[in-house]
Amino acid sequence: EVQLVESGGGLVQPGGSLRLSCVASGFIFSDHYMDWVRQAPGKGLEWVGRTKNKANGYTTEYAASVKGRFTISRDDSKNSVYLQMNSLKTEDTAVYYCADAGVGYWGQGTLVTVSS
Amino acid sequence: QAVLTQPASLSASPGASVSLTCTLRSGINVGTYRIYWYQQKPGSPPQYLLRYKSDSDKQQGSGVPSRFSGSKDASANAGILLISGLQSEDEADYYCMIWDSSAYWVFGGGTKLTVL
Repeated sequence: EVQLVESGGGLVQPGGSLRLSCVASGFIFSDHYMDWVRQAPGKGLEWVGRTKNKANGYTTEYAASVKGRFTISRDDSKNSVYLQMNSLKTEDTAVYYCADAGVGYWGQGTLVTVSS
Repeated sequence: QAVLTQPASLSASPGASVSLTCTLRSGINVGTYRIYWYQQKPGSPPQYLLRYKSDSDKQQGSGVPSRFSGSKDASANAGILLISGLQSEDEADYYCMIWDSSAYWVFGGGTKLTVL
């Protein structure tokens, strides 16, 4: 059974930082590209970024709204992907999902609230 | 103009068939894209339903009933999710998604389907 379990969400002040983690199981993690997707309260889905697999150089790509502030990394030995979020803004408040959106693997999400 | 446009809401009766549309922005040809469809119920992550490019390039999500199917309307430049034999449990938000080489994963704004 495929499982993606996110952690690390919480309340942070504007300008602060937070690191989200996602642990995968049930599939060959190292073969997959991994995405982060977020959903603001009551809003739709927004792709945040992705990391490609080793065969594609672990290349990362980001949405314009987070480029330069967020960094995605992965550790295939731990079946894990991470989202480092810096210079957080109130508009970054959302549930953050770890996913392979192209094959339909999604975690349950972790809530990040940016507020003073 | 948004890349993908979905009607904000739709309602239908149990047992009916309903078509959810995902219209691509002018200049983006629906024929060249795989259209992905997700279902999301309150408090839950998106669930992968299917993807559709053509009758020879399509994939049903694991465990997704065959009453969910995909198609395209080239004249409207739109992807379509058809749900037949509508059931109360189909009440949910539905999102379409494409992979755009310049913007990566792009989601439609979502359609809230109400089963009356």
